[in-house]
Amino acid sequence: GEDVEQSLFLSVREGDSSVINCTYTDSSSTYLYWYKQEPGAGLQLLTYIFSNMDMKQDQRLTVLLNKKDKHLSLRIADTQTGDSAIYFCAESADSGGYQKVTFGTGTKLQVIP
Amino acid sequence: DVKVTQSSRYLVKRTGEKVFLECVQDMDHENMFWYRQDPGLGLRLIYFSYDVKMKEKGDIPEGYSVSREKKERFSLILESASTNQTSMYLCASSLAGLALHEQYFGPGTRLTVT
Repeated sequence: GEDVEQSLFLSVREGDSSVINCTYTDSSSTYLYWYKQEPGAGLQLLTYIFSNMDMKQDQRLTVLLNKKDKHLSLRIADTQTGDSAIYFCAESADSGGYQKVTFGTGTKLQVIP
Repeated sequence: DVKVTQSSRYLVKRTGEKVFLECVQDMDHENMFWYRQDPGLGLRLIYFSYDVKMKEKGDIPEGYSVSREKKERFSLILESASTNQTSMYLCASSLAGLALHEQYFGPGTRLTVT
């Protein structure tokens, strides 16, 4: 089956940039996503990128996609304590009438004041 | 704002019990979804529904069934709960499209089967 991998943990100092990395195996991915999950809360869509794009920027967030290497990254500029959460990478591909989604296991971001 | 609510945040059930997890959305969305989230396995689609009384299997439907009698409500049923169904269950809804970025998620129900 398809696989999405992320490192489990990242610690950064407040004000620094955070870079969370993700690799995936499905070469037919349509969209790639970054979700944020805070304790006790549901999944919050941060941003997504269509598979034929290389980069997407949205305020403090920058998504880079290297389709050749199947590598996706999320850069958070000027990281704040409120950014502490688990970040999930996900990819989706057409699968007989619905989008088959594969999530990574999540990266826990700890922001040190 | 779209609101997706789930009936319980935490639930503890015994092996063999019949379990109902309820999800309600208040924005007249066509599509509703049930996922389970497990450490090391990410989020996996169990079932989804694109209309009242319509359902489609996702990636891991075994051991589960669903019911959508009204547009706003989508129930996940564990006919005979087993310990391997201990998990976080997330409901989602979307207006028309099935793409992940069109789905709004509820807060989740953490189910423990003992």
